[in-house]
Amino acid sequence: DAKTTQPNSMESNEEEPVHLPCNHSTISGTDYIHWYRQLPSQGPEYVIHGLTSNVNNRMASLAIAEDRKSSTLILHRATLRDAAVYYCILRDEGVEGSARQLTFGSGTQLTVLP
Amino acid sequence: NAGVTQTPKFQVLKTGQSMTLQCAQDMNHEYMSWYRQDPGMGLRLIHYSVGAGITDQGEVPNGYNVSRSTTEDFPLRLLSAAPSQTSVYFCASSPGDRENPGANVLTFGAGSRLTVL
Repeated sequence: DAKTTQPNSMESNEEEPVHLPCNHSTISGTDYIHWYRQLPSQGPEYVIHGLTSNVNNRMASLAIAEDRKSSTLILHRATLRDAAVYYCILRDEGVEGSARQLTFGSGTQLTVLP
Repeated sequence: NAGVTQTPKFQVLKTGQSMTLQCAQDMNHEYMSWYRQDPGMGLRLIHYSVGAGITDQGEVPNGYNVSRSTTEDFPLRLLSAAPSQTSVYFCASSPGDRENPGANVLTFGAGSRLTVL
């Protein structure tokens, strides 16, 4: 399975943009890049996903490198409620009938300072 | 539409006891999975299912059994609880692979916190 590498932790000031990086140098051509976040004492929740083009939604933006070996999750204005662990994962489609496992690494702990 | 429902939220077991963590989803999702999360760690996949009657092992399957008799339910059974199984367990589901598989989004339950003494 293709794997991802993220920094263990990052800090940001409230109301400033945050750029969370993710490296996935062994990504395959059909892997989607997904981001999830986990607030304290909660289950992970979906943030955003993309394949090749940059993506925007109400929560964040996803910038994908042209060679797809890295991506960046962008929170445009961090709030205290954005303090969470952010996971970058690859959706491994596999071949029909084979394993379709989704692997979560340790993620990036984002601390937002008031 | 409740999403993914896990029960119980909290459970304390003694070593050697058995129990079942329940997971139900009402979104007609084909894919379901169980993860465990130890303190300060990421999620590790225990077992998963790509449809009713089909299950497979994840990264850390030992000591756990699963079955998928219906689309809605995916229970996780601890056969003989050990202190090493003290963890928070998350169930997740997503639409099946016939529907743009790489783009499918996981929906997680709120978690079940298990302590084995």
